Amino acid sequence: EAQVTQNPRYLITVTGKKLTVTCSQNMNHEYMSWYRQDPGLGLRQIYYSMNVEVTDKGDVPEGYKVSRKEKRNFPLILESPSPNQTSLYFCASRQYSGGHQETQYFGPGTRLLVL
Amino acid sequence: GEDVEQSLFLSVREGDSSVINCTYTDSSSTYLYWYKQEPGAGLQLLTYIFSNMDMKQDQRLTVLLNKKDKHLSLRIADTQTGDSAIYFCAEIPPGGYQKVTFGIGTKLQVIP
Repeated sequence: EAQVTQNPRYLITVTGKKLTVTCSQNMNHEYMSWYRQDPGLGLRQIYYSMNVEVTDKGDVPEGYKVSRKEKRNFPLILESPSPNQTSLYFCASRQYSGGHQETQYFGPGTRLLVL
Repeated sequence: GEDVEQSLFLSVREGDSSVINCTYTDSSSTYLYWYKQEPGAGLQLLTYIFSNMDMKQDQRLTVLLNKKDKHLSLRIADTQTGDSAIYFCAEIPPGGYQKVTFGIGTKLQVIP
């Protein structure tokens, strides 16, 4: 079954304690990205990756890091979390197959609370 | 920069058609997307339209694109209670693999 998995699904942490949210896809998609969803703001892109070792900033990259050492994994790293990073995070993968055909999958979300 | 706007809320009766609207600012956008988010779930890609198209139909879903007015709409025919969700439109600029800009989402409430 095609899917994007995220772990953990829920996390409560304290300011300054480094954390990593993992994301993995099993579809061999080249493109992966991270979003945060906040009430009244919709989804905002944090980082995206077009392939292994290729990453770039989205609209709200401050306070986040990513890496793409393998095609299937795209972890999101918060080196020193702050309360304004409390949010719902989604990982997604996407593959454009030509002829205006593409597939996209979103993970189930990670709800993060930073105290 | 890019901006995508949507109305916040829409209420329709079961069996009626729903029309969710979206406006965008980037006239060079390549792809325009519609997603559905059910409570407590991630986003599901519903449909998308390439910028050189005016309309796309997929079963009960019809996407209309007015490039002159930079207006995108999603029509859901014979709306069902299972269609109750938040609907997001999004745009991707030329290149296809770059930044994605989402609207804030329209909450569709279907009244039985």
